[in-house]
Amino acid sequence: NAGVTQTPKFRVLKTGQSMTLLCAQDMNHEYMYWYRQDPGMGLRLIHYSVGEGTTAKGEVPDGYNVSRLKKQNFLLGLESAAPSQTSVYFCASSYSPIRHEQYFGPGTRLTVT
Amino acid sequence: DQQVKQNSPSLSVQEGRISILNCDYTNSMFDYFLWYKKYPAEGPTFLISISSIKDKNEDGRFTVFLNKSAKHLSLHIVPSQPGDSAVYFCAASARSTGTASKLTFGTGTRLQVTL
Repeated sequence: NAGVTQTPKFRVLKTGQSMTLLCAQDMNHEYMYWYRQDPGMGLRLIHYSVGEGTTAKGEVPDGYNVSRLKKQNFLLGLESAAPSQTSVYFCASSYSPIRHEQYFGPGTRLTVT
Repeated sequence: DQQVKQNSPSLSVQEGRISILNCDYTNSMFDYFLWYKKYPAEGPTFLISISSIKDKNEDGRFTVFLNKSAKHLSLHIVPSQPGDSAVYFCAASARSTGTASKLTFGTGTRLQVTL
């Protein structure tokens, strides 16, 4: 039981490049989330999904797209990376909105130069 | 507009003593509160939670207190151990609104437990 895994762990991009971050969970959770963590800012919600085939915007969605084609996977895409997207990205999942405990992956450190 | 505030960026406590981490919130719709612990290079891990219908929840060495009138919660760790050294995030959600357990996080407090 791996929990929540994220790929890759580190990445360096040049401005304008694109990439996709993969999140996978093996807990059969319906809900999945993408956050970014910046120094002094806490974790901020980018996008989330309440089930396979659904996505919704969070607090800071601009510049990102997501897809949830399979229940266990949640992909975060950057179409044209900007230095402001340098951050640590965390994926999380949860079972239901009744119990709000979210389980987090180990994070992806992204640097955009 | 920071709806969940952790005004102490850091806290240092001696091993065996009590650690008290504080959190304030401004959104009166918040009705569920959580504490997460984060070690460097790892994702946050859930520690303890409390619903707004309670004012205290205890789990081993960890106790969370909620003061709804003051919009304030605190996490008590007794006794503090060196392994408790980490960043602690307070988070809140409004379960009565929306369809997902959207959490709003504070900025975190770095706890250092010294020998």
